[in-house]
Amino acid sequence: AQTVTQSQPEMSVQEAETVTLSCTYDTSESDYYLFWYKQPPSRQMILVIRQEAYKQQNATENRFSVNFQKAAKSFSLKISDSQLGDAAMYFCAYRSPLNGGSQGNLIFGKGTKLSVKP
Amino acid sequence: SAVISQKPSRDICQRGTSLTIQCQVDSQVTMMFWYRQQPGQSLTLIATANQGSEATYESGFVIDKFPISRPNLTFSTLTVSNMSPEDSSIYLCSVADSRPETQYFGPGTRLLVL
Repeated sequence: AQTVTQSQPEMSVQEAETVTLSCTYDTSESDYYLFWYKQPPSRQMILVIRQEAYKQQNATENRFSVNFQKAAKSFSLKISDSQLGDAAMYFCAYRSPLNGGSQGNLIFGKGTKLSVKP
Repeated sequence: SAVISQKPSRDICQRGTSLTIQCQVDSQVTMMFWYRQQPGQSLTLIATANQGSEATYESGFVIDKFPISRPNLTFSTLTVSNMSPEDSSIYLCSVADSRPETQYFGPGTRLLVL
């Protein structure tokens, strides 16, 4: 069974600085998808970024980028120019491909609480 | 991306009662899921809501406690039956797209059982 591990329960960053959140996972599959979700105090789960395992190029979305190391099964999230609105819980998640006949359910890590200091 | 709404957004219920949560999507989606997030915890999948057939439940969750309906490709309900304080959680509806492969969440229903 697949597992997702986030080893940092809490992180803190100064506004305008850069922070990296760690995520590792375990799987025997070669094709899969990885996601980072943000959950602010409003509790809405917001998709931050996604990565396809078959792509070597790291995904980027504006100030958010990932460092995907498939062999090491590592998927870290880098937030550049941190803003106060980035303060939230961040969840790393794994999913098998939908077209592979899987149920497609997400497997989540326990989350990292990010604080942004003004 | 799909726009997902849930009703109610929050509720306070008495022990032993039941609550039905609705999930509406603005487009047809193949896969819909229901997750539970207990206080301070990560998300746990309750079940996959299948259109036109019985839902597929994860280990630890049963149909008698969490009956699910999915009458069409844009709507689903989750009922939390015979509630106890341990059912106090946030319940989230989620939908999956295959092109591109991604997954979105509704705003959640915050449930408090007294």
